[in-house]
Order: sequence, then structure tokens, then C-alpha cells
Amino acid sequence: DAGVTQSPTHLIKTRGQHVTLRCSPISGHKSVSWYQQVLGQGPQFIFQYYEKEERGRGNFPDRFSARQFPNYSSELNVNALLLGDSALYLCASSTGQAPRVDTQYFGPGTRLTVL
Amino acid sequence: DAKTTQPNSMESNEEEPVHLPCNHSTISGTDYIHWYRQLPSQGPEYVIHGLTSNVNNRMASLAIAEDRKSSTLILHRATLRDAAVYYCILNPGTYKYIFGTGTRLKVLA
Repeated sequence: DAGVTQSPTHLIKTRGQHVTLRCSPISGHKSVSWYQQVLGQGPQFIFQYYEKEERGRGNFPDRFSARQFPNYSSELNVNALLLGDSALYLCASSTGQAPRVDTQYFGPGTRLTVL
Repeated sequence: DAKTTQPNSMESNEEEPVHLPCNHSTISGTDYIHWYRQLPSQGPEYVIHGLTSNVNNRMASLAIAEDRKSSTLILHRATLRDAAVYYCILNPGTYKYIFGTGTRLKVLA
């Protein structure tokens, strides 16, 4: 079975630009979460979607937005990029039905560099 | 959000057991304890989780203190492939995982 896939693998943007990152969950998974991982730190929660509805939001500015499609894939959008947005962006999928014990399956991430 | 405290780094010799500690003194009664690890250049991967009782799976064992204020991830025989950053996470029933900086495990051949 295919795992969580993310695209693109790497991305270079300049300050002020906009970026869209994509995630395809494991087949049958209805929940997708997004995390930002700055070099040397643990991942930080950005958003969680379940059945196309936002279920949780982390402490990120409104420049960050996301959505989930009917096929449960998801997009993370970041507007007005700042140098500090340079990071590895991780997507995780899960069934969404038992949050306490569900396993989150992470993709390999998209490495975003802002110049 | 309940927080966890882990040592920044640990070393182990190959084929020896490794005990990775985690303190979570503010844990609430319904928080599950989850462990994930992140190998170099990869996303985190699930290792094990538990609530009150000790747990075993093919990857590791999880020992939970009686007062639940600490736990220990046990790798029974460390291999070079176990070199990774190990994260202890308290799951209150949402997917909003709070990752700390984790413990970087170095395995010596």
C-alpha cells in the first residue's frame, strides 16, 4: 500500500511569494494534519482536517491556510512568504475515528526554502 | 497543553538495550503517551503508545510509571538503523501533537 505522499519534494521561493503544498493520505484515511519543522526542532502543529472540516489549528498567522478535498487529499497554502517560513512541511494522515489511539502516518515532507 | 521533557541526546552500543526516558509531570488522566521517531531525512514514524499499563510491540516496549508522570521507551537490542530522534508525546484525544525537541539517539558500532 502506498504511504502518505507529498509534493513537491523541494521548493525554492522568494520573500512575498505564495506557495501551495500538496498531500495525499493513505487510502481509507479521512484525517490530514500539517506540521512545520524548522531545522533542529520538533514538528509544530499547523492544521488538522477531518472529513473536509477544520478540526484544529495551531499558533500560526492567517497567512497559513489549508483545505481538504472530497478525496481527502489536502493543500497547505502560505501567502506573503517570509524567510522564517523556510522549513520542512510534514503531512500526516490517520483514520480520524479514534484520536486517542490512532496512529498518525507521516509523509516525507516538502522542504521549502525562502530566499 | 501538557508538556514532556526528554534528554537532548543519548548514546548506545549496538546490540545493547536502550532506555529512553520521558518526564510528563502535568499529564492528565486521559492523556495517552505516544512515542514516534524520526530517522534522518524522513518524516516521523510511530513506535508505540500506552495509557497506564506497560506495552510491547515488535519495535519496542513502553514502561509507564505507576503515577504516570514518567515513561521509558525500551529498545531491546539497538541497531544502527535505530539511530534517530525519539519523541515522547502526550495525546489528549486530538491530533494536535505537541512535539518537543526529542532525544537524539546515537548507536555506536
